[in-house]
Amino acid sequence: DQQVKQNSPSLSVQEGRISILNCDYTNSMFDYFLWYKKYPAEGPTFLISISSIKDKNEDGRFTVFLNKSAKHLSLHIVPSQPGDSAVYFCAAWEGQGAQKLVFGQGTRLTINP
Amino acid sequence: NAGVTQTPKFRILKIGQSMTLQCTQDMNHNYMYWYRQDPGMGLKLIYYSVGAGITDKGEVPNGYNVSRSTTEDFPLRLELAAPSQTSVYFCASSNPTETQYFGPGTRLLVL
Repeated sequence: DQQVKQNSPSLSVQEGRISILNCDYTNSMFDYFLWYKKYPAEGPTFLISISSIKDKNEDGRFTVFLNKSAKHLSLHIVPSQPGDSAVYFCAAWEGQGAQKLVFGQGTRLTINP
Repeated sequence: NAGVTQTPKFRILKIGQSMTLQCTQDMNHNYMYWYRQDPGMGLKLIYYSVGAGITDKGEVPNGYNVSRSTTEDFPLRLELAAPSQTSVYFCASSNPTETQYFGPGTRLLVL
């Protein structure tokens, strides 16, 4: 039962354009969402997060949008750069008292020059 | 401030051997986790701990054991290594419902 789903295993975008990575969830109790970036042979690193009381959070080239009614979040990267090529995971906490972060399966983003 | 450290970085084991993967964090986090990532796959939770002396199973605990005697350390023990345990292992830590920080990983090859 995959509670956090990233339905696109891979995405290819041209350098300078916008990259949009999507994530869907099924558990309405999720209230805090995070995006992680992972390069090969390295551990995942935190990128950006959003609380369920917001619908948008921005940090430089990265913006996360949350649509609670659709149980959908997306990560926008503008403009995309070659160094953004990595695997991106979305993850969610299930409210106060949650003990485990629930991860999606990841999307491999490739930025083409 | 080193964050989450893991040792070793890489190890080759023979089938049936045992080893311990070490994980240490210096952020005074209560929660610690062990994940494995197989090639082309996502992160699977092996074991986790919400405090010293408290551990619980994740999705894929078979073949592994953990202990948590201190806040800082969360070692993962592999008994009787099998080829199916060939993977990359990540340790992570966090405070409750906050950002989870990952170590650099241990690559394990079982032959």
